[in-house]
Amino acid sequence: DQQVKQNSPSLSVQEGRISILNCDYTNSMFDYFLWYKKYPAEGPTFLISISSIKDKNEDGRFTVFLNKSAKHLSLHIVPSQPGDSAVYFCAATSTGANSKLTFGKGITLSVRP
Amino acid sequence: KAGVTQTPRYLIKTRGQQVTLSCSPISGHRSVSWYQQTPGQGLQFLFEYFSETQRNKGNFPGRFSGRQFSNSRSEMNVSTLELGDSALYLCASSFTVGNTDTQYFGPGTRLTVL
Repeated sequence: DQQVKQNSPSLSVQEGRISILNCDYTNSMFDYFLWYKKYPAEGPTFLISISSIKDKNEDGRFTVFLNKSAKHLSLHIVPSQPGDSAVYFCAATSTGANSKLTFGKGITLSVRP
Repeated sequence: KAGVTQTPRYLIKTRGQQVTLSCSPISGHRSVSWYQQTPGQGLQFLFEYFSETQRNKGNFPGRFSGRQFSNSRSEMNVSTLELGDSALYLCASSFTVGNTDTQYFGPGTRLTVL
């Protein structure tokens, strides 16, 4: 049972445009959400997170939006740069001490120069 | 600070063998988690250790086991290897066991089972 879903396996965007990466979840106990970026031959690196008490969190070019009623979050990258080309994983957890991170399958973002 | 290190980076084994992977967390980090990444499956949680105790476990068979030492270094072991165990195994460390604490990942060990 896939509790965190990234339904689009890939996304291609022109440099300078906005990239919108979507993520849906099914577990209503999830209250903390994260995005990780992964380059080939490297481990995932933390990008940005959001708590369920917020609906938006911004860090430079990256903004994450959370719609709790729809159980949906999205990562916006503006403007997109070729160096943003990577696999992006959405992850979710409930903030109990013994809760684990549940990851989606990832989206491959390609930013065309 | 040095990042999370994993050894070996690449490993080739045959079915039926067993394998041990090693992870050294960032200095001061006491929590270590292990994940399996296979094509199209994202990161599947294996287990988490904190202060030498397994705190959480994913839905993997008992062939997958792990441990953590007093210096927070961790090992995971897979016995009786199967072809489907071919994957990238990632280790992540964090300062505490709380899930809002950022996890820092190592580069992974690429295991190929022939």
